[in-house]
Amino acid sequence: EVQLVESGGGLVKPGGSLRLSCAASGFTFSSYSMNWVRQAPGKGLEWVSSISSSSSYIYYADSVKGRFTISRDNAKNSLYLQMNSLRAEDTAVYYCARAPSGDYKEWYFDYWGQGTLVTVSS
Amino acid sequence: EIVLTQSPDFQSVTPKEKVTITCRASQSIGSSLHWYQQKPDQSPKLLIKYASQSISGVPSRFSGSGSGTDFTLTINSLEAEDAATYYCHQSSSFPLTFGGGTKVEIK
Repeated sequence: EVQLVESGGGLVKPGGSLRLSCAASGFTFSSYSMNWVRQAPGKGLEWVSSISSSSSYIYYADSVKGRFTISRDNAKNSLYLQMNSLRAEDTAVYYCARAPSGDYKEWYFDYWGQGTLVTVSS
Repeated sequence: EIVLTQSPDFQSVTPKEKVTITCRASQSIGSSLHWYQQKPDQSPKLLIKYASQSISGVPSRFSGSGSGTDFTLTINSLEAEDAATYYCHQSSSFPLTFGGGTKVEIK
């Protein structure tokens, strides 16, 4: 059974940093591209970042470019999101989501984690 | 950036009724359009991929159609468990984008 478990969320002050993790199990992690998608309270879904299976392809939303860094450790079956210079508008539930292949061409989300809440407030 | 416009924003429907949700893309995206269902306090769930391809385990009352810029999600014979917000999503080009969502309420 595919499982994605996010962790690392919490309360942080504006300008602060946070590192999210996503532990994957139930599939060959190194064969799949991975993604972060967020959802502000009461709002819709917003794509944040994507990384291909071998980290060869990395993409960011303009809203986080230069502040967030996506990475993965295939040996540890883990996906990460380093978030710096956090702003109030980054407050959201952050979901880890799997793409259906490691192919750099397929970028929809076939499995999602339960999400971790990040709150940016003074 | 490809903008996806969903309509309606909200729909209140009686059980067994048919529901139609539309998603319009600001430019042609071929069939790179996917649909998700998100129930309250749950993570989104993939319903339809590539505009019309079914997903294993998803009830057959959910179907999708369309290509280019106009897409439709249809729920035939709505059931109480279908109360949720539905989102379209395009994977034709980065940045990946979602529609604003359609909330379906059961009367």
